[in-house]
Amino acid sequence: DVKVTQSSRYLVKRTGEKVFLECVQDMDHENMFWYRQDPGLGLRLIYFSYDVKMKEKGDIPEGYSVSREKKERFSLILESASTNQTSMYLCATTWTSGGAGELFFGEGSRLTVL
Amino acid sequence: GENVEQHPSTLSVQEGDSAVIKCTYSDSASNYFPWYKQELGKRPQLIIDIRSNVGEKKDQRIAVTLNKTAKHFSLHITETQPEDSAVYFCAASPWGNNRLAFGKGNQVVVIP
Repeated sequence: DVKVTQSSRYLVKRTGEKVFLECVQDMDHENMFWYRQDPGLGLRLIYFSYDVKMKEKGDIPEGYSVSREKKERFSLILESASTNQTSMYLCATTWTSGGAGELFFGEGSRLTVL
Repeated sequence: GENVEQHPSTLSVQEGDSAVIKCTYSDSASNYFPWYKQELGKRPQLIIDIRSNVGEKKDQRIAVTLNKTAKHFSLHITETQPEDSAVYFCAASPWGNNRLAFGKGNQVVVIP
């Protein structure tokens, strides 16, 4: 069974704080993704990584950065949190390289920015 | 980039009836079409997917059909049960591309 673990299920932060969301997978998957889920807007891709130290912007990268120092860990960073970043954040991984395949999602991290 | 739209946004069905959710996509290069189910408070999980070399795929009570000419694909759930109540997301991407474009989701409510 693939295990994708997100470090925090619920976070409350203040505007301007730096926020780290961590995701760890145990299946040696090359590809890792960060999505944002908002009601009525579906799943929107923020960033993804297809290898260690490699990253690519998704559809809504503004206000976010990522880090992938080790294959199993992919971090999403909000340099200066804002209220419009209040959302559910989902990490996902997939085993395929160069082709679309099943995404395995973490439980999600619900972030509230006050 | 790819744009995926889902219709209807909410669907209520009587238990035992069938449910159909339709998605349209914009990029003719897309050839991989998965469906994800997200139960309340849980993570999305893949329930079925189809590639462009086939027109239909079935797995027990669920099936997906693809019309590449019209650029739409549909999820069919037969003999609906209360545990089918969830949000369903369709997605599309070209093979060789990890960037799945998701639709906004459909809330399916099965009324006992």
